[in-house]
Amino acid sequence: EPEVTQTPSHQVTQMGQEVILRCVPISNHLYFYWYRQILGQKVEFLVSFYNNEISEKSEIFDDQFSVERPDGSNFTLKIRSTKLEDSAMYFCASSPWDFEAKNIQYFGAGTRLSVL
Amino acid sequence: AQSVTQLGSHVSVSEGALVLLRCNYSSSVPPYLFWYVQYPNQGLQLLLKYTSAATLVKGINGFEAEFKKSETSFHLTKPSAHMSDAAEYFCAVNFGNEKLTFGTGTRLTIIP
Repeated sequence: EPEVTQTPSHQVTQMGQEVILRCVPISNHLYFYWYRQILGQKVEFLVSFYNNEISEKSEIFDDQFSVERPDGSNFTLKIRSTKLEDSAMYFCASSPWDFEAKNIQYFGAGTRLSVL
Repeated sequence: AQSVTQLGSHVSVSEGALVLLRCNYSSSVPPYLFWYVQYPNQGLQLLLKYTSAATLVKGINGFEAEFKKSETSFHLTKPSAHMSDAAEYFCAVNFGNEKLTFGTGTRLTIIP
């Protein structure tokens, strides 16, 4: 069964460093998302991406964050200068194109980001 | 305001007993409703979805949920709990835009 894959599973970085989290969405999906889950808290929406541009973003998704689909398969989240409070599990998700199924999002296993 | 509420951050049931996990929402538009499960050290797996078809929705692993518009609820149930059901369960709602809004989650513990 097709699945969303995320790499790495765990990323450790120093405060102020740039990190890139990588995702390979399900191949025929057209909508892509990033969410995060701070330890012990609920899953929060960061950004959605369609047709090579951001379609919606939350207030969390400030200028330190960016997303990119550099080729036909990868979808990346970049944090330019990490802060301690960026430590969280980051989930990538994707959705297919048709109206009804578009609302069903399939999630990857997540990347745990630890900022020291 | 649009919101999702899960009552009970922790629920414990005995093996073989009924599982009931509660989810209520507040919305001015017809929502799409989902339950996701997160096993330890794993990602979010879709359990079931309500997208305006039948109000009683059957999902994987014997779970089902009923959409009750009058109560603005979408509670998750399973008639007989199994040890493998121990996990965190998240109710999520799409309020007609791009994103999913998640509840705070309910950690289900199964007592042998």
